[in-house]
Amino acid sequence: GAGVSQSPRYKVTKRGQDVALRCDPISGHVSLYWYRQALGQGPEFLTYFNYEAQQDKSGLPNDRFSAERPEGSISTLTIQRTEQRDSAMYRCASSLGVDSGNTIYFGEGSWLTVV
Amino acid sequence: DQQVKQNSPSLSVQEGRISILNCDYTNSMFDYFLWYKKYPAEGPTFLISISSIKDKNEDGRFTVFLNKSAKHLSLHIVPSQPGDSAVYFCAASVHGAGGTSYGKLTFGQGTILTVHP
Repeated sequence: GAGVSQSPRYKVTKRGQDVALRCDPISGHVSLYWYRQALGQGPEFLTYFNYEAQQDKSGLPNDRFSAERPEGSISTLTIQRTEQRDSAMYRCASSLGVDSGNTIYFGEGSWLTVV
Repeated sequence: DQQVKQNSPSLSVQEGRISILNCDYTNSMFDYFLWYKKYPAEGPTFLISISSIKDKNEDGRFTVFLNKSAKHLSLHIVPSQPGDSAVYFCAASVHGAGGTSYGKLTFGQGTILTVHP
């Protein structure tokens, strides 16, 4: 596709359920990033991949959060045993590579509401 | 610990005048700075960036100024247009030797810019 595609756009889940958020980066983009954005705040880094390798997961809040990119393209962010505090916009982004000058393109995000 | 701060939640400007958006940072390791613009229901889009080896970068109506000693950067939009009305995010990363991916960005809280016709 032309841009970073995320699904679902909106997800309402009950506390304790697992959720999986999907990101389809721009074709050919090596680097893929996950961010979380609370209302009234800027995006907050969670993790990133180069190809299929997870390079940095320092931003994942706890071990309920995990991400994978098994074939170096589509990525899934999984949140297990969701809690109300997990409610936020989850944004995926991608870039050609990690060199400066490679623009990072963000998707429209997945709104997660945990009730 | 908010390493990147945008202390003005909102800014209102008349069309044709200058818009100045400000951003402060605390981490002296940051060496690459970006501004993103966000319209409602869309993802942030890249606007302009600056490396710490420069103090100014210009792209059309947009100019970013970096004052490393003050750990301050600003975005100037001249002249402002109604279509510039959006949320503007300042972001920073550690890209130099020993740094991680420049894509690991630390964002400010955003400033809502409204340009009145």
